[in-house]
Amino acid sequence: DADVTQTPRNRITKTGKRIMLECSQTKGHDRMYWYRQDPGLGLRLIYYSFDVKDINKGEISDGYSVSRQAQAKFSLSLESAIPNQTALYFCATSSTGGFGYTFGSGTRLTVV
Amino acid sequence: AQKVTQAQTEISVVEKEDVTLDCVYETRDTTYYLFWYKQPPSGELVFLIRRNSFDEQNEISGRYSWNFQKSTSSFNFTITASQVVDSAVYFCALILNSGYSTLTFGKGTMLLVSP
Repeated sequence: DADVTQTPRNRITKTGKRIMLECSQTKGHDRMYWYRQDPGLGLRLIYYSFDVKDINKGEISDGYSVSRQAQAKFSLSLESAIPNQTALYFCATSSTGGFGYTFGSGTRLTVV
Repeated sequence: AQKVTQAQTEISVVEKEDVTLDCVYETRDTTYYLFWYKQPPSGELVFLIRRNSFDEQNEISGRYSWNFQKSTSSFNFTITASQVVDSAVYFCALILNSGYSTLTFGKGTMLLVSP
């Protein structure tokens, strides 16, 4: 099994729908992240969590929310999806020192 | 706040050519780490290298080499004798050594290697 698992791998949803992207990890890391990738824009940080009780906004948090259900689980929600949220989403984990980033395989989300 | 700039949006080369991908970073911190990742067409992120700000030695790994120069805040990546399998998007990234920093990425350089 992969160290960081993202579900679903691909999703097409309609504008206005609520959608949740899930991430689970077996690395035992405290820190988890959600990044968004758009062509030509690189990866941008949406939200991050340094431990179960810690949630922080990243560079582009508007329109998104997160839930850290356990050390191993970090979910990203789009409350009302819009087309410009169409992107490739990556979940990642890291050790307490902030190194050893491990990325999931990505979730390709299309909002129509 | 830190920033990573990859000025080359797209590079096209013919197989066996050497190619250098540029990365320039900005930070006021003196201790940090720099990274390169590869994203092949399949989409996953592949870790290539991590370099400590205190270690300016160049590194070579097979056809890959990295040139780190603190004086110019650059961490360039060279592929020697490029191959079609090198076609990918390459990202440079930076994290501070503060313990509370997060990984900041450049916008990436798409490399297309033609046969």
